[in-house]
Amino acid sequence: AQSVTQLDSQVPVFEEAPVELRCNYSSSVSVYLFWYVQYPNQGLQLLLKYLSGSTLVESINGFEAEFNKSQTSFHLRKPSVHISDTAEYFCAVSPRSGGYNKLIFGAGTRLAVHP
Amino acid sequence: SQTIHQWPATLVQPVGSPLSLECTVEGTSNPNLYWYRQAAGRGLQLLFYSVGIGQISSEVPQNLSASRPQDRQFILSSKKLLLSDSGFYLCAWSLHSYEQYFGPGTRLTVT
Repeated sequence: AQSVTQLDSQVPVFEEAPVELRCNYSSSVSVYLFWYVQYPNQGLQLLLKYLSGSTLVESINGFEAEFNKSQTSFHLRKPSVHISDTAEYFCAVSPRSGGYNKLIFGAGTRLAVHP
Repeated sequence: SQTIHQWPATLVQPVGSPLSLECTVEGTSNPNLYWYRQAAGRGLQLLFYSVGIGQISSEVPQNLSASRPQDRQFILSSKKLLLSDSGFYLCAWSLHSYEQYFGPGTRLTVT
């Protein structure tokens, strides 16, 4: 079985400051890793994913995440946040084996960017 | 490109009334389909998934049921709503890759 722990339920930060949202997972099999973002009253949008290859993955809007196998982590970072980054962020894993694309989500981290 | 629709967007229903939420996907064939519930202040809970027409798997026992009458249509139902059924319901689809793509959601309030 897999589980995902997002270590911070809320992260307040000032505009243009750096931010890190932490995600750790537990799994007995290899996994794929994802970050999703949810704006108020909307569905989830895929922010970035790690399937294979380089352990550092980037999104088009400046976020990046690094897969650390030894620490079973997939932390999300951004060097300078904007007000528009205010949202809830979900880390998720999917086991590489299995008959369907099962996703296991963390509880979410609410990022609040203040002016 | 693929799009996913959910309706209604919001719904207020009394306890004991029936429920029907619909999800449709456009621009793809034979997707895997999923229903999630997101309760206030909590993460996402997978309710049902389907790998094909008429094939439904339930992740948790509950007051809800799901059906897939067509390849790209997924319906979430209940015969009698409970207060605890309130939440934000999300439909999602996936293909051969492992990421899922989510619809805009339905906000259900049971009064």
